[in-house]
Amino acid sequence: SQTIHQWPATLVQPVGSPLSLECTVEGTSNPNLYWYRQAAGRGLQLLFYSVGIGQISSEVPQNLSASRPQDRQFILSSKKLLLSDSGFYLCAWSARTGGGKLFFGSGTQLSVL
Amino acid sequence: AQTVTQSQPEMSVQEAETVTLSCTYDTSENNYYLFWYKQPPSRQMILVIRQEAYKQQNATENRFSVNFQKAAKSFSLKISDSQLGDTAMYFCAFMIRRRNNDMRFGAGTRLTVKP
Repeated sequence: SQTIHQWPATLVQPVGSPLSLECTVEGTSNPNLYWYRQAAGRGLQLLFYSVGIGQISSEVPQNLSASRPQDRQFILSSKKLLLSDSGFYLCAWSARTGGGKLFFGSGTQLSVL
Repeated sequence: AQTVTQSQPEMSVQEAETVTLSCTYDTSENNYYLFWYKQPPSRQMILVIRQEAYKQQNATENRFSVNFQKAAKSFSLKISDSQLGDTAMYFCAFMIRRRNNDMRFGAGTRLTVKP
């Protein structure tokens, strides 16, 4: 069966520090991968998606970047965090022919202080 | 642009009762998917149910069913025999079939099931 791992679960970082959140998927090949952000009490905003190694599309201009160095690995990064980067970050995957179903990781609560 | 609207920020229901959560969407596309996701206090997003727009039959998953009204662009979720474990945020979501990288979410409805 397929599983998705996301870490860390919580992270407290000072303003201006770098960020690296990692997500890996097991049990499937060539998945579509996504990074979402959820502001407190609100819906999900798509940040990045990837359809293959090295292929990253950004949905909104921001202080963040994403990379996909391996087929089932997706990394969210920042060189210098801003206060506005605080939020709950969710990684997700979908199969190419999965009928649109997204499967989410357990999320990372990022607090930038 | 595709938008998803959930007009009920919060709802509550007594255990064992039935509750319906509303969702409307706006699109010019004809071929798409609709979803309901559940986010319990653990914050794990869990797929509850999926509806394919070209199917007229409403999707059902055990105690969860939808009322899909394509012409009205309405997609409500009915939870029957509500259980305490149903307490969660519920998000309606929309995805154009030919663009499987772009799932749009509503703002969510916080459902509380009371004992």
